[in-house]
Amino acid sequence: KQEVTQIPAALSVPEGENLVLNCSFTDSAIYNLQWFRQDPGKGLTSLLLIQSSQREQTSGRLNASLDKSSGRSTLYIAASQPGDSATYLCAVRPDSNYQLIWGAGTKLIIKP
Amino acid sequence: NAGVTQTPKFRILKIGQSMTLQCTQDMNHNYMYWYRQDPGMGLKLIYYSVGAGITDKGEVPNGYNVSRSTTEDFPLRLELAAPSQTSVYFCASSYGAGENTEAFFGQGTRLTVV
Repeated sequence: KQEVTQIPAALSVPEGENLVLNCSFTDSAIYNLQWFRQDPGKGLTSLLLIQSSQREQTSGRLNASLDKSSGRSTLYIAASQPGDSATYLCAVRPDSNYQLIWGAGTKLIIKP
Repeated sequence: NAGVTQTPKFRILKIGQSMTLQCTQDMNHNYMYWYRQDPGMGLKLIYYSVGAGITDKGEVPNGYNVSRSTTEDFPLRLELAAPSQTSVYFCASSYGAGENTEAFFGQGTRLTVV
C-alpha cells in the first residue's frame, strides 16, 4: 500500500533563505507526483506536477525533483518570502488508481 | 473562469442530520473527486467519478453517497451525520487520468458535527 510521508511537519526560517521540503513515498510505481500549496481557510493550489518519466519541474522560484527509485521528491524554494508561508502538500498518483495519495504536509513559516 | 466551486464554505450539523455538499466545475472535466482532510492528516478519497452516470468508492466511503447526473456537478450526500464526519471536504476535478493530468481543487467545506 502506497504511503506518503512529509518531514518536517513544520518549518520556520528567516526571509531570504533557500529551503527544501521533503516528500517520500513507499511504492515507486507512480504516474506522477504533485506539490500543492494550502493557505488557511482556502483551497489547494497546484504548484508543480512531475510525471513519472521526468526528473524535475520548475516554476519561478520553485523547483521540484523526483527520484522514483529512492521514493523521494523535494521542493526547493529559492529566496523565500513571507508570502510563501503556507502548508505544502505532496501527493502521488499510483499507476493503477485514479486517486491521489497524500502526505500530511509541511507547515512553512517565513519570518520577516 | 470559476474552476471548481463548492458550497457551502462552512456548516454546523447536529448528530443525525443530513446535508448535501455541492460541487460544480466549469472546465468540462470528466473526472471528479471528493476528499476529506482531518487535522494533521493527508487527504483521503471518499468517492470519485469518471464521467456522468459513473461513480465509485474511494478509501473512506462509509456514511456518504454521491451522484453524477451531469458532467458539471458532483454532489456529496451525508446521511445521519456523526461527529467522526467533522472534517474539511474538498472537491476536485481533472480532465483525464494520464501521466500529465493535473487535479484542480475547490476551496473546501468545513463541516462540524455536534
